[in-house]
Amino acid sequence: DGGITQSPKYLFRKEGQNVTLSCEQNLNHDAMYWYRQDPGQGLRLIYYSQIVNDFQKGDIAEGYSVSREKKESFPLTVTSAQKNPTAFYLCASSMGMRNRSPLHFGNGTRLTVT
Amino acid sequence: DQQVKQNSPSLSVQEGRISILNCDYTNSMFDYFLWYKKYPAEGPTFLISISSIKDKNEDGRFTVFLNKSAKHLSLHIVPSQPGDSAVYFCAAKAGGSEKLVFGKGTKLTVNP
Repeated sequence: DGGITQSPKYLFRKEGQNVTLSCEQNLNHDAMYWYRQDPGQGLRLIYYSQIVNDFQKGDIAEGYSVSREKKESFPLTVTSAQKNPTAFYLCASSMGMRNRSPLHFGNGTRLTVT
Repeated sequence: DQQVKQNSPSLSVQEGRISILNCDYTNSMFDYFLWYKKYPAEGPTFLISISSIKDKNEDGRFTVFLNKSAKHLSLHIVPSQPGDSAVYFCAAKAGGSEKLVFGKGTKLTVNP
C-alpha cells in the first residue's frame, strides 16, 4: 500500500529546542517537498528536493533545514531560529512537477511550540 | 505578493446543486493548474488538473475551466454532495519550475 507517512501526527516542543519531522514515501517518487499551513494562509513551500543529495529553498526556508540522503526520506528540522514554528507541516512527493506529476501529500504533523 | 488568489474564503450550497469555486492568478508564466481537496487534519488530495493549452477538463462530477485571457480558473462540482464539504485549494506552476504555488483555499459546505 503505497503512500507518504509523516510522523508523529502531533508534536509538542519547548521554545529554543530544535525538532525534526519525519517524512517517508514508498511511491518511488524522485521529488519531495515540505509545505507549511497556517490558518488563512494556504500552503507555503519551505524546501523541496528533486533528487537524492540535492535540495532547494522554497519561499519560507529561514529557520528550517532538510536532508535527502535516501530517495524515500526527506526529514525537516525546525530550528530555534524559526520565529513562528507552531503550524501544520505537510510533506509531499511527486515524479516531478516538470513532468506535471501531481503532488501526493502525507497527513501532516501539527507542531506546537510553547 | 500573492500569485494565486481564491477570493472567497467560504461557499455554501445545497445538496444536488452546482458548486463553483473560483481562482485568479497573476503570473502569466503559469502553464499548469491543479485543484486539491482537504479535510481537517489531513493532507490535501489531488482532484483535477488542466494544462494551459486547454480551456476545459472534466472528470466525473468535477470540471475545471481555464480562461487564460482573464487569468481565471474555476472548479465546478455537479451535483454537489455532503461529502464534498472540505477546503479546496487552487494551485499553479510555471513552465520548467518545480514549485507549486497554492491559493489560500475556499471552504465548501454542502448542506443536505
